[in-house]
Amino acid sequence: QVQVVESGGGVVQPGGSLRLSCAASGFTFNNFGMHWVRQAPGKGLEWVAFIEYGGSNKYYGDSVKGRFTISRDDSKNTVFLQMNSLRGEDTAVYYCAKDPQEYSSGWYADSWGQGTLVTVSS
Amino acid sequence: DIQMTQSPSSLSASVGDRVTITCRASHGITSYLVWFQQTPGKAPKPLIYGASSLQSGVPSRFSGSGFGTDFTLTISSLQPEDFATYYCQQYNSYPLTFGGGTKVEIK
Repeated sequence: QVQVVESGGGVVQPGGSLRLSCAASGFTFNNFGMHWVRQAPGKGLEWVAFIEYGGSNKYYGDSVKGRFTISRDDSKNTVFLQMNSLRGEDTAVYYCAKDPQEYSSGWYADSWGQGTLVTVSS
Repeated sequence: DIQMTQSPSSLSASVGDRVTITCRASHGITSYLVWFQQTPGKAPKPLIYGASSLQSGVPSRFSGSGFGTDFTLTISSLQPEDFATYYCQQYNSYPLTFGGGTKVEIK
């Protein structure tokens, strides 16, 4: 069955960088876009980024544009989120998720991982 | 950006009650709306996509309706496992945006 597993979270100082990874299995990774969604402690959901199948097109939320970069390595069935210039408000659980539709330009996060916690604090 | 406004932000209900949650988009999104359910400590899971299509495996007591800017999630008979937070999200255009959530609590 579909499985996505996030890793790479931790504590980082303001202004620092962190790279999250998401390993996927149970589906034809190459054919699907992948999302990152985050949730600050006790708060609602915020969509962060999406990368299309093939990696040609990428989209970002307003609050992370210019600071975060999504990428993928289809040979390793893995998607990444490079996070630079981190701020306190980036503290959240970061979820990786598969898009439900093959070859789409992005719908919604369908199959989610368990999340990885990123804490930005001095 | 399209703003998604959910109401109410929380509600109290009893097992067996009919529950309705609304979601309003700041611009028309046709039917590009999904509803999620999230229980504490767990990842969200999609319930309804395309405003009214039931995700595979989701009980039929859940239903969705609406088009354009106004949408509704209905739980016909609330069950104990339905006490959770519900979110709507539009996927008509980027950036994708979520509503603020509706917490359904036990009365």
